[in-house]
Amino acid sequence: GAGVSQSPSNKVTEKGKDVELRCDPISGHTALYWYRQSLGQGLEFLIYFQGNSAPDKSGLPSDRFSAERTGGSVSTLTIQRTQQEDSAVYLCASSLSSGVSYEQYFGPGTRLTVT
Amino acid sequence: GNSVTQMEGPVTLSEEAFLTINCTYTATGYPSLFWYVQYPGEGLQLLLKATKADDKGSNKGFEATYRKETTSFHLEKGSVQVSDSAVYFCALNEAGYSTLTFGKGTMLLVSP
Repeated sequence: GAGVSQSPSNKVTEKGKDVELRCDPISGHTALYWYRQSLGQGLEFLIYFQGNSAPDKSGLPSDRFSAERTGGSVSTLTIQRTQQEDSAVYLCASSLSSGVSYEQYFGPGTRLTVT
Repeated sequence: GNSVTQMEGPVTLSEEAFLTINCTYTATGYPSLFWYVQYPGEGLQLLLKATKADDKGSNKGFEATYRKETTSFHLEKGSVQVSDSAVYFCALNEAGYSTLTFGKGTMLLVSP
């Protein structure tokens, strides 16, 4: 079956613009995660959803970052007033449910470049 | 808080050489431990995992043993192939939490 998909695959934006990144999880997966992969920082957790609610937003780096999930499926990560330090690869993962027993399946990522 | 420390790369080996990538962790509870692999141009894939002390995870010739006394989960393979060239990430997931804490990744380059 289809894996986790993300769009766009690449996004170049000017500093100060808003961007939206989309994640389509594997069908039937109730848990969805956003991570950020940047040079020198490795992979950092941003936020996760169980269904449509976000029990853990602790990784969002500032109030310019927000995310939502509707219908227990697609999720959108929005970055407002982008800064150069936001340049990174944004990864989405989904799992059948939340918790350590459930493997997280990762999408290919969206590479964001802020100029 | 939780953290994962991996050896810095790149690790450069010849085909058929023995591989070790070191990983140590800090956690307040009893985490599950994972190795993920990212092949060039592809997304992260789970390589292996171990959920309790002394467990050994294994897959595709790779192995790692959960050592609670040394808080380590080193990745090993007896004979690497060119196709093993990738970035390897060590990660933990603490009981009661759903999110993964990753190390910074170690790039492995295997030459023929």
